Amino acid sequence: EPEVTQTPSHQVTQMGQEVILRCVPISNHLYFYWYRQILGQKVEFLVSFYNNEISEKSEIFDDQFSVERPDGSNFTLKIRSTKLEDSAMYFCASSVKQENYGYTFGSGTRLTVV
Amino acid sequence: AQKVTQAQTEISVVEKEDVTLDCVYETRDTTYYLFWYKQPPSGELVFLIRRNSFDEQNEISGRYSWNFQKSTSSFNFTITASQVVDSAVYFCALSETSYNFNKFYFGSGTKLNVKP
Repeated sequence: EPEVTQTPSHQVTQMGQEVILRCVPISNHLYFYWYRQILGQKVEFLVSFYNNEISEKSEIFDDQFSVERPDGSNFTLKIRSTKLEDSAMYFCASSVKQENYGYTFGSGTRLTVV
Repeated sequence: AQKVTQAQTEISVVEKEDVTLDCVYETRDTTYYLFWYKQPPSGELVFLIRRNSFDEQNEISGRYSWNFQKSTSSFNFTITASQVVDSAVYFCALSETSYNFNKFYFGSGTKLNVKP
């Protein structure tokens, strides 16, 4: 079964450093997403991306965050200057089209900011 | 206001007991989708079910069953004859027409502990 692949599974970074979380969506999917889950809390939507631009973003997704699809396969989330409160599990997801058809989550990257 | 409410923070049962996890949602859209995900200790989100708002038929999959009631805006999940491997956090989620169904609202999750 096709999977959304996220790397690394766990990343530790120092406060103030830039970090890039990587995702490889399912190959025929056109819509891409990032979600965040602070430890012990619910999963929260960050951003959706379609046709090489952001289609929707939450209030959490401030100027510290950016997303990019640098090539035909990767989808990245960059946090420019990490803060302690950015420590969380970050999930990438992708779907074939609108109406969340085939919406699939990756296994997540656990980011720890120290 | 919360769009998805899972009032049960944590439930503990003994193996072989049945357990129901509650989910109440709020939306003004007439077309929407509801989901359940399982999150084991390893952290990934495991898809369990997707249900659209026009399909109120209850669904059974092995030991799992779901009861969707639009009249009470609820989409409850029952595990029959629970097993230790069912121990996890379970999330209910909603996607709506107004965001082209592409933005999921998750509840805060219910942690299920199944004891041997």
